[in-house]
Amino acid sequence: DVKVTQSSRYLVKRTGEKVFLECVQDMDHENMFWYRQDPGLGLRLIYFSYDVKMKEKGDIPEGYSVSREKKERFSLILESASTNQTSMYLCASSVTTGLYEQYFGPGTRLTVT
Amino acid sequence: SQKIEQNSEALNIQEGKTATLTCNYTNYSPAYLQWYRQDPGRGPVFLLLIRENEKEKRKERLKVTFDTTLKQSLFHITASQPADSATYLCALDYFGGGTASKLTFGTGTRLQVTL
Repeated sequence: DVKVTQSSRYLVKRTGEKVFLECVQDMDHENMFWYRQDPGLGLRLIYFSYDVKMKEKGDIPEGYSVSREKKERFSLILESASTNQTSMYLCASSVTTGLYEQYFGPGTRLTVT
Repeated sequence: SQKIEQNSEALNIQEGKTATLTCNYTNYSPAYLQWYRQDPGRGPVFLLLIRENEKEKRKERLKVTFDTTLKQSLFHITASQPADSATYLCALDYFGGGTASKLTFGTGTRLQVTL
């Protein structure tokens, strides 16, 4: 089974802190994604990556950056956390051929105080 | 910009009945449409994918239809069970995979199946 893991299930940070969210997948998938999920707004794409060191902006990249130094690992960075970044963060991965469904991690509930 | 509408109201249905969830979109039709299930506090789980040239897809008790004229997909769960209670998300894929493949998700519909 495909497994996508995220470094923390719950995280509490202070305004202005630098925050790292880590995601690891074990199925050699080319594509990796970071979403945030908020009530009433659904899943919104922050960034995605289709290869090591490659990244593309999603719909809401402001205030975030990403890093993909190894194929299996995709990190989301909040350079200076703000309260409006309190959210559920979900990582996903997929292949680039065949069925293109995405496999999601369990999510990280981030609270910025 | 593309807009995806799923009924934001929860759908309450009795066990054994067929649940029908709706996904409507505006503008141009996607190459693929996917449905996911999400349980509280968990990430979405893929259920079914349907291509733009397919009218219907089935998997066990699940059935998905895709009408590009109506710009609508319907998701059916037959003989529903309390274990089917969850939020169901539709997602549009305009590029059909590859390095440009990314999904646009609806906000989801919560299904509650009661005894």
